[in-house]
Amino acid sequence: GENVEQHPSTLSVQEGDSAVIKCTYSDSASNYFPWYKQELGKGPQLIIDIRSNVGEKKDQRIAVTLNKTAKHFSLHITETQPEDSAVYFCAASKGNNRLAFGKGNQVVVIP
Amino acid sequence: DTAVSQTPKYLVTQMGNDKSIKCEQNLGHDTMYWYKQDSKKFLKIMFSYNNKELIINETVPNRFSPKSPDKAHLNLHINSLELGDSAVYFCASSLLRQVSGNTIYFGEGSWLTVV
Repeated sequence: GENVEQHPSTLSVQEGDSAVIKCTYSDSASNYFPWYKQELGKGPQLIIDIRSNVGEKKDQRIAVTLNKTAKHFSLHITETQPEDSAVYFCAASKGNNRLAFGKGNQVVVIP
Repeated sequence: DTAVSQTPKYLVTQMGNDKSIKCEQNLGHDTMYWYKQDSKKFLKIMFSYNNKELIINETVPNRFSPKSPDKAHLNLHINSLELGDSAVYFCASSLLRQVSGNTIYFGEGSWLTVV
């Protein structure tokens, strides 16, 4: 099955700096890559996703890039704010209803 | 206006007991899921139902039994609870798409503690 690896496991950034989280996947048939944000005591919430027919997608301060050849995708958060502190999960799917999640990144934004 | 709602949010129970977690979605989705999140935050799928039919059944002890009375509801019943069952259980829902990936929406989670 699909194997998704996420790096780094913990990331601390100064408020206002950028944060980048990288994920790799194993199954070249995967074609859907969502990112979820999980705040303390809450469920994962979709923040952005990308499909394999595009290389980059942006939504305000958040962007995702996809490199299908290398089988990796990244989440970029610019101008980080304290409310960006959370656990971020990447995931991959190949068009069925089975999402393979990475192990999560704890992002800490230092005021 | 909660999209995916699950109850109870917190549940503390003794080993050997039987408990249920209920889930409902009002998004008009046809597919529902149960995920388990362990103490290390790892999210793992347990079951998935599409239009009341079981379509994913991962390697889960048969003490766990999902039930879907209709496509808007998916309940999880756990028999003979063990200490290792302590975790956060997330219900989720989506539309089943055969071609491109489907966005999955999660509930707020049910924190189960077995003592």
